[in-house]
Amino acid sequence: EAEVAQSPRYKITEKSQAVAFWCDPISGHATLYWYRQILGQGPELLVQFQDESVVDDSQLPKDRFSAERLKGVDSTLKIQPAELGDSAMYLCASSLAGGPGYEQFFGPGTRLTVL
Amino acid sequence: AQTVTQSQPEMSVQEAETVTLSCTYDTSESNYYLFWYKQPPSRQMILVIRQEAYKQQNATENRFSVNFQKAAKSFSLKISDSQLGDTAMYFCAFMNQYSGAGSYQLTFGKGTKLSVIP
Repeated sequence: EAEVAQSPRYKITEKSQAVAFWCDPISGHATLYWYRQILGQGPELLVQFQDESVVDDSQLPKDRFSAERLKGVDSTLKIQPAELGDSAMYLCASSLAGGPGYEQFFGPGTRLTVL
Repeated sequence: AQTVTQSQPEMSVQEAETVTLSCTYDTSESNYYLFWYKQPPSRQMILVIRQEAYKQQNATENRFSVNFQKAAKSFSLKISDSQLGDTAMYFCAFMNQYSGAGSYQLTFGKGTKLSVIP
């Protein structure tokens, strides 16, 4: 069964360092989402891609976060510089298309700890 | 903006028994979708069940069913014949049916941690 892949699974970094997370969606899925899940909370959307275009990045802290999906397939989320408050689980999800009729499939996440 | 509230941070149930998880939401929209997602320990989140707001009939998926009360803005999940594998965080989520900007984000509640006891 096809799954969303994410790496690394765990990342520990020091404050002010740069970190990057990678996501490979299910083949053929045009829509890709990055969510941030703080411990004890539900996931919150950071950015949504439709193919290689950003559809929604209204909740992405653009002074330090960036995301790209250059060829409309895999995606990278970067944080520079990392801050203590960035410690969280970063989840990637994909769906065939945007909209409530299309199930979002989630990856296992990258757990980030900022020291 | 939509909000989703799950008032039960933790619940437990005996194996084979039935448990109901609560969820309320707030929206001014009339057309939307509601979801329950399951996040097992150290595993990825998966969709359990989905309900379209325009459908009066409650959705069911095997042992999982919902009680959707649109007027009360309530969307509870019932798990029958609970199994050890049901132990997980359960998240209630909301999505608008239409989005002019093409953004279809899921708005999640804070989750309910369910433990199934042998």
